[in-house]
Amino acid sequence: QQQVKQSPQSLIVQKGGISIINCAYENTAFDYFPWYQQFPGKGPALLIAIRPDVSEKKEGRFTISFNKSAKQFSLHIMDSQPGDSATYFCAAGRGGSNYKLTFGKGTLLTVNP
Amino acid sequence: EAGVTQFPSHSVIEKGQTVTLRCDPISGHDNLYWYRRVMGKEIKFLLHFVKESKQDESGMPNNRFLAERTGGTYSTLKVQPAELEDSGVYFCASSQLGDGEQFFGPGTRLTVL
Repeated sequence: QQQVKQSPQSLIVQKGGISIINCAYENTAFDYFPWYQQFPGKGPALLIAIRPDVSEKKEGRFTISFNKSAKQFSLHIMDSQPGDSATYFCAAGRGGSNYKLTFGKGTLLTVNP
Repeated sequence: EAGVTQFPSHSVIEKGQTVTLRCDPISGHDNLYWYRRVMGKEIKFLLHFVKESKQDESGMPNNRFLAERTGGTYSTLKVQPAELEDSGVYFCASSQLGDGEQFFGPGTRLTVL
């Protein structure tokens, strides 16, 4: 049983375009929703995170949109750059960031120059 | 400041052998987590230490896996005897007590032949 479903599995975007990755979760007890970025040979690195008391959080070109009633959240990358090419993972946690995270399967993003 | 380090970066062993993975968390981080990603699947939680105590080991697959964190510093994850399905990338993460971000190491790629 997959508790966090992520789509698409892969995504190709042109430079300057908008990349959108979606996640849906099952467990309403989740209260922490981070997005991780992973480059080849490296571990996942926290990109941006949101809690369910807000519907949107923006950091630079990266925005998380959160829909509590639909149990969905998404990552938007504006003005996508070739350097954004990486694997992106959404995750969910209970009790904040100090407890285990449940991850989606990941999205391989390729931004063409 | 050094990040989370893991050793070895890659291990190839035969079925039935024993392998020990090591994780050195960021200095001062009391929380230490082990995760695993099997190819094509999501990153899955294995267990969580707070200092030297196992806070949550609900993700450990079976009793062939043994994790330790003596003295509350580095941690080891031993697989004995290894099976083919144990192949994957094992990640370690650490965080401060309280509401802290989980920082991931680069992972150990384990291949069981």
